[in-house]
Amino acid sequence: DGGITQSPKYLFRKEGQNVTLSCEQNLNHDAMYWYRQDPGQGLRLIYYSQIVNDFQKGDIAEGYSVSREKKESFPLTVTSAQKNPTAFYLCASSIEGGREAFFGQGTRLTVV
Amino acid sequence: GDSVTQMEGPVTLSEEAFLTINCTYTATGYPSLFWYVQYPGEGLQLLLKATKADDKGSNKGFEATYRKETTSFHLEKGSVQVSDSAVYFCAPSIGGTPLVFGKGTRLSVIA
Repeated sequence: DGGITQSPKYLFRKEGQNVTLSCEQNLNHDAMYWYRQDPGQGLRLIYYSQIVNDFQKGDIAEGYSVSREKKESFPLTVTSAQKNPTAFYLCASSIEGGREAFFGQGTRLTVV
Repeated sequence: GDSVTQMEGPVTLSEEAFLTINCTYTATGYPSLFWYVQYPGEGLQLLLKATKADDKGSNKGFEATYRKETTSFHLEKGSVQVSDSAVYFCAPSIGGTPLVFGKGTRLSVIA
């Protein structure tokens, strides 16, 4: 079945450690996105990529980094510079930018 | 820039009640408009969409009409069920740009 897979579903890290969240899609989509969701704040865009080897910052990119070396994969690294990393992270993809997006099941990151 | 305003929640309704969740947007050009639904602990799922003025998107009894003159895309359902309890997000998109999401409206339907 085609879809978008995020792993792991739950992730715990100690403060000061970098952590990488995985996102893989087999939909042959060109565009991929990372959103952060906090209670009462909806979804905020962290980074997006419209094509392999290219990506752009979203509204809240500080403290995060991404790579897009393969069409299928768009991993997100939460660095120690991110001041409030505990959140629900959602990855999405679309056939091209601006079209309907398909979402993964999310990764809940808790930093202690 | 583009933005979207959704009706504040939470919204609590009895089963079989009529639902309206308001959504208005500001955007240059002619955005595509989407409603997504999120069940607890899950990602978002596309509920319905409309890509041009006066289009009506519909799915699972939900409907929304693209109103260019009022820049609105209100979500409606004639008779809600307990299983409709979720968070609903409105999202406009201009071609080539990522979706911009509203803050979400939490709906609780009680039997």
